[in-house]
Amino acid sequence: GQQVMQIPQYQHVQEGEDFTTYCNSSTTLSNIQWYKQRPGGHPVFLIQLVKSGEVKKQKRLTFQFGEAKKNSSLHITATQTTDVGTYFCAANSGNTPLVFGKGTRLSVIA
Amino acid sequence: KAGVTQTPRYLIKTRGQQVTLSCSPISGHRSVSWYQQTPGQGLQFLFEYFSETQRNKGNFPGRFSGRQFSNSRSEMNVSTLELGDSALYLCASSFGGTVSTGELFFGEGSRLTVL
Repeated sequence: GQQVMQIPQYQHVQEGEDFTTYCNSSTTLSNIQWYKQRPGGHPVFLIQLVKSGEVKKQKRLTFQFGEAKKNSSLHITATQTTDVGTYFCAANSGNTPLVFGKGTRLSVIA
Repeated sequence: KAGVTQTPRYLIKTRGQQVTLSCSPISGHRSVSWYQQTPGQGLQFLFEYFSETQRNKGNFPGRFSGRQFSNSRSEMNVSTLELGDSALYLCASSFGGTVSTGELFFGEGSRLTVL
């Protein structure tokens, strides 16, 4: 079945440093979504990308969808302690259900 | 509007028992999907129900089953529990379902511990 590979698995950064997580698929994706899960919490939707080459920004977060619609990235500029959590990408292609990557756990050291 | 409600939040069972988890989606949402979350495997898709019909099923054994009622509330059942079934079970509600675009709204989850 469809798989979505997400790297890195863990990332430790000093507060103020940047952070990026990547999502890759071997198949062309219909759309990709990003979620954030705080420790002890549940996943919360951040954004959805559907167009080839799409770039969306939310304050310090920048989301990109690759030209071939097979990869995506989430970049956080100048991390803060409030950014701590696990970031998941989730994607589908055609009529397949949404498949989640294994997530990137971000730790921010103050 | 009220969010996704999952019950119970925590439960402890022993091997061989069975368990039923409940999920009430956001009002107006017809799709409920279930995910199993474990530390090593992330979120793994169990199944999705849309208007009382199972629309997709993940790669889990037949011990895992579910259903959806006419009011969109959903239940999942795990029979003959194994130690490896210990996990956080998350329910997600959406209007169009996971095969369409549109965000998933997750409940707080039901944390199952199997002893």
